[in-house]
Amino acid sequence: DSGVTQTPKHLITATGQRVTLRCSPRSGDLSVYWYQQSLDQGLQFLIQYYNGEERAKGNILERFSAQQFPDLHSELNLSSLELGDSALYFCASSPNVGLAGFDDEQYFGPGTRLTVT
Amino acid sequence: GQQLNQSPQSMFIQEGEDVSMNCTSSSIFNTWLWYKQDPGEGPVLLIALYKAGELTSNGRLTAQFGITRKDSFLNISASIPSDVGIYFCAGISSNTGKLIFGQGTTLQVKP
Repeated sequence: DSGVTQTPKHLITATGQRVTLRCSPRSGDLSVYWYQQSLDQGLQFLIQYYNGEERAKGNILERFSAQQFPDLHSELNLSSLELGDSALYFCASSPNVGLAGFDDEQYFGPGTRLTVT
Repeated sequence: GQQLNQSPQSMFIQEGEDVSMNCTSSSIFNTWLWYKQDPGEGPVLLIALYKAGELTSNGRLTAQFGITRKDSFLNISASIPSDVGIYFCAGISSNTGKLIFGQGTTLQVKP
């Protein structure tokens, strides 16, 4: 158990809908990262938050957005869903207490499997 | 952008065999990490390496931080069926400070 929790575990929804995925980082970790993993694909970095502020952006679609709350949990919002958005979505957390702006080891949650029909 | 080239892409081996996979880049890294992902689960951190030349073991797993700081390898000795999964390397770039992932090596073990 990495200490990172994600809900829900599974989500099935229709095209055009909007969903929210939730992540709670490990106790004490300030950074949260979101990744998308499509079938048989690698981990595609979407976005990073550090202590409530957006720190880095990857290949995140404009239909997707995220935020990190004062208690450090994070939510990933996916809207106007398309069939191609079906994937595993992972949240990872890390302490990021080292060199300013440098990443640390990341610890992954169990993921949310999103199926868009 | 920076890339990590992870090879091989997939491996199918017999139980008991040793396995070796590696990750290379044209850029320099401060830290190398190796993760394992079981089907439908999140990646789990196996080994972290922080210094060039460092050799670290975790049970039957051994990983090394390349002396040039541009590569790393992971060895698994005496493989068993539960070693099946996807192994990802990841490196923290000394230039950007960002953690980037390799594309993964899919390992299958035949009992």
